[in-house]
Amino acid sequence: GAVVSQHPSWVICKSGTSVKIECRSLDFQATTMFWYRQFPKQSLMLMATSNEGSKATYEQGVEKDKFLINHASLTLSTLTVTSAHPEDSSFYICSAISRDYYEQYFGPGTRLTVT
Amino acid sequence: RKEVEQDPGPFNVPEGATVAFNCTYSNSASQSFFWYRQDCRKEPKLLMSVYSSGNEDGRFTAQLNRASQYISLLIRDSKLSDSATYLCVVSYYGGSQGNLIFGKGTKLSVKP
Repeated sequence: GAVVSQHPSWVICKSGTSVKIECRSLDFQATTMFWYRQFPKQSLMLMATSNEGSKATYEQGVEKDKFLINHASLTLSTLTVTSAHPEDSSFYICSAISRDYYEQYFGPGTRLTVT
Repeated sequence: RKEVEQDPGPFNVPEGATVAFNCTYSNSASQSFFWYRQDCRKEPKLLMSVYSSGNEDGRFTAQLNRASQYISLLIRDSKLSDSATYLCVVSYYGGSQGNLIFGKGTKLSVKP
């Protein structure tokens, strides 16, 4: 099956700083990538959908100026959490799809802790 | 009302037991249905798609009732390795090529 990687797998940062998370499709070209967030004991919530070369579509309630998404190539999407606050501490997971695959393939997730 | 609701759990069962999970979804426009498995601090992984006719994959059987907007997962002969959180997932699109809406999940713990 297809492989999606994320980097870093975990990060601790101070309040007010920015953090960039990378999502890569390793062996296929991802036409669309999704970014999810999961708080403890909660469901995965879709934050945004990004298509290569175009602006991301954000879900209601997700601040696009705070969560910057760049899908610059068919194998890479980045999520930057700007001016992070403790309430942004969460598990961030990306997924990717292509025309060749029926299934959304998920990355291993990035655990962000903001102190 | 949440879009996808599941049994709160946790389910604690002995090895070899049969366990059933239920799920309801609120949007009748939902087109695709799945069960995912998520291990602690890991990403979700597709367990199986769910079809109206019902489908089986080894010890796992999934059922869909569109009229009742109800989905179920049955696990027979539980193994220790089945311990995980099971996520009921729906999509408004055919297949999984679209936004997935996740339930909170039901935690299963299989004991020796």
